[in-house]
Amino acid sequence: GENVEQHPSTLSVQEGDSAVIKCTYSDSASNYFPWYKQELGKRPQLIIDIRSNVGEKKDQRIAVTLNKTAKHFSLHITETQPEDSAVYFCALRGFQKLVFGTGTRLLVSP
Amino acid sequence: GAVVSQHPSWVICKSGTSVKIECRSLDFQATTMFWYRQFPKQSLMLMATSNEGSKATYEQGVEKDKFLINHASLTLSTLTVTSAHPEDSSFYICSARGRGGWNYEQFFGPGTRLTVL
Repeated sequence: GENVEQHPSTLSVQEGDSAVIKCTYSDSASNYFPWYKQELGKRPQLIIDIRSNVGEKKDQRIAVTLNKTAKHFSLHITETQPEDSAVYFCALRGFQKLVFGTGTRLLVSP
Repeated sequence: GAVVSQHPSWVICKSGTSVKIECRSLDFQATTMFWYRQFPKQSLMLMATSNEGSKATYEQGVEKDKFLINHASLTLSTLTVTSAHPEDSSFYICSARGRGGWNYEQFFGPGTRLTVL
């Protein structure tokens, strides 16, 4: 099946710094790439998504870039705040199924 | 966005008993529902996909006779963990996707934490 690798598994930054999380995949048929934020014991929350016909998308402090040729996509968070601390999952969908990456635990220190 | 509810939010049961978890789409018709399992500090693993009125499609390694999924209506899907054992203890999350304008986004329920003693 589809495999999604996500790095790093843990990321610690100081408040105000930028954070970048990267995912790579193998199935070229994948056409939808969402990113989720999950707090402990809660449901995943969609924070941004991108479709295969777009290379970059931005929403305030959050941006996602997609390189279909290289089969990787990245989440960029600028001006990080302590409330950004959570686990972030990339995901992708080819045919119907949404497959998740392994997750990145982001810690933003004040 | 659309709302998906899940019930119960947590359940504790004895080994060998069965547990039913309900997933409802409250303000849209969910043509497809997904069930995920998440162990502590791990990712969400897809267990099965169900389309309304059809049998569920299970992922490799998921026992369909142990995890019974029913998607009888466009707003309700149920997951029954039969003869639960301690290794089934996990966080179970459903997700739903509708037709039309929500063709891509999946909406997640709040999850059910199952503890089997």
